Amino acid sequence: EPEVTQTPSHQVTQMGQEVILRCVPISNHLYFYWYRQILGQKVEFLVSFYNNEISEKSEIFDDQFSVERPDGSNFTLKIRSTKLEDSAMYFCASSEEHGASYEQYFGPGTRLTVT
Amino acid sequence: RKEVEQDPGPFNVPEGATVAFNCTYSNSASQSFFWYRQDCRKEPKLLMSVYSSGNEDGRFTAQLNRASQYISLLIRDSKLSDSATYLCVVKRGGADGLTFGKGTHLIIQP
Repeated sequence: EPEVTQTPSHQVTQMGQEVILRCVPISNHLYFYWYRQILGQKVEFLVSFYNNEISEKSEIFDDQFSVERPDGSNFTLKIRSTKLEDSAMYFCASSEEHGASYEQYFGPGTRLTVT
Repeated sequence: RKEVEQDPGPFNVPEGATVAFNCTYSNSASQSFFWYRQDCRKEPKLLMSVYSSGNEDGRFTAQLNRASQYISLLIRDSKLSDSATYLCVVKRGGADGLTFGKGTHLIIQP
């Protein structure tokens, strides 16, 4: 069964550093998403991406964040100048279409620890 | 007011019991409704979509009441493997992301 993959599984970085989290969505999917989950909190939507453009973004997704599809398979989330409060699990997801009923498949996540 | 509200639990129930979860959502523009399951430190996985007419998938039954903005999940004949956090999720439509509740923690006891 096809699945979303994410690397690395765990990233430790110092405050102020830049990190890039990587995702490989399911191959025939066209819509890509990033979510985060702070420990003990709910899963929160960050951004959706289609056709090499951001489709929607939440208020969490400020200028510190950017997304890119650098090639035909990878989808990345860059966090510039990380803060302690960026420590969280970051999940990538993809779907075939963006219609309301289309399932989003989640990757296993990257645990980001900012020290 | 929280967008998606759930009783956090934990719900401790014996194996074989029936357990029900409820959820309310605040945005009347929500178009799609789901229950996801999340195991500890793992990604959310879709359990089932929820339709206005109600739907069943094996031991799981989901109901939606749009007028009351209320969603429910019923698990019959619970198994030890049902122990997890159950996430109520809504979506407005288009390219919007999913809006998650904080989840209800279920513990099935032998």
